[in-house]
Amino acid sequence: AQSVTQLGSHVSVSEGALVLLRCNYSSSVPPYLFWYVQYPNQGLQLLLKYTSAATLVKGINGFEAEFKKSETSFHLTKPSAHMSDAAEYFCAVSFQGGSEKLVFGKGTKLTVNP
Amino acid sequence: DAGITQSPRHKVTETGTPVTLRCHQTENHRYMYWYRQDPGHGLRLIHYSYGVKDTDKGEVSDGYSVSRSKTEDFLLTLESATSSQTSVYFCAISDPGGATSYEQYFGPGTRLTVT
Repeated sequence: AQSVTQLGSHVSVSEGALVLLRCNYSSSVPPYLFWYVQYPNQGLQLLLKYTSAATLVKGINGFEAEFKKSETSFHLTKPSAHMSDAAEYFCAVSFQGGSEKLVFGKGTKLTVNP
Repeated sequence: DAGITQSPRHKVTETGTPVTLRCHQTENHRYMYWYRQDPGHGLRLIHYSYGVKDTDKGEVSDGYSVSRSKTEDFLLTLESATSSQTSVYFCAISDPGGATSYEQYFGPGTRLTVT
């Protein structure tokens, strides 16, 4: 079955430290991949997407993600965490590489400590 | 921000009553979606629409129905609400074929409590 796995439901980092949020998917066909962010009591906002162009994708707020086909991964990183990055992050996959339907991971809540 | 509104934003209802949630968009996007968000489950697709009067089921469609009579409105109905349908419901839209293909834009959500 097609699935999206986010390792770690909670991640805690210090302000200024590297942020690494992990996402793996199960598919033999390269899908389209997305990261969304959700701030408390708000809807989801698109951070970045991969749709078969460059494997390193840059998004908003200094985040980037790298598509690694051999590892079926699309991990999200940010070199230096800011307090405002505290939120929940969701990885999402369009498995049919063009289907408008997305499958979401269960989310990772990021805490940034001063 | 994409022009998506959801109404109501909060609702408390009793078990067995019908409930309708409304999603309204001003972006003229063809696709619309209803998700539910529950702790530990992420977002799960309930139903989606790929055009006026064209809808299909998602992974958790049991107990829900939808209707889309106009491009801008997508209604989600719980025919007889149950406590297991207590959740936060999100509407999303997307527009295939353009520069923003496959990107979904989300509304602010509706918090539904079934007592």
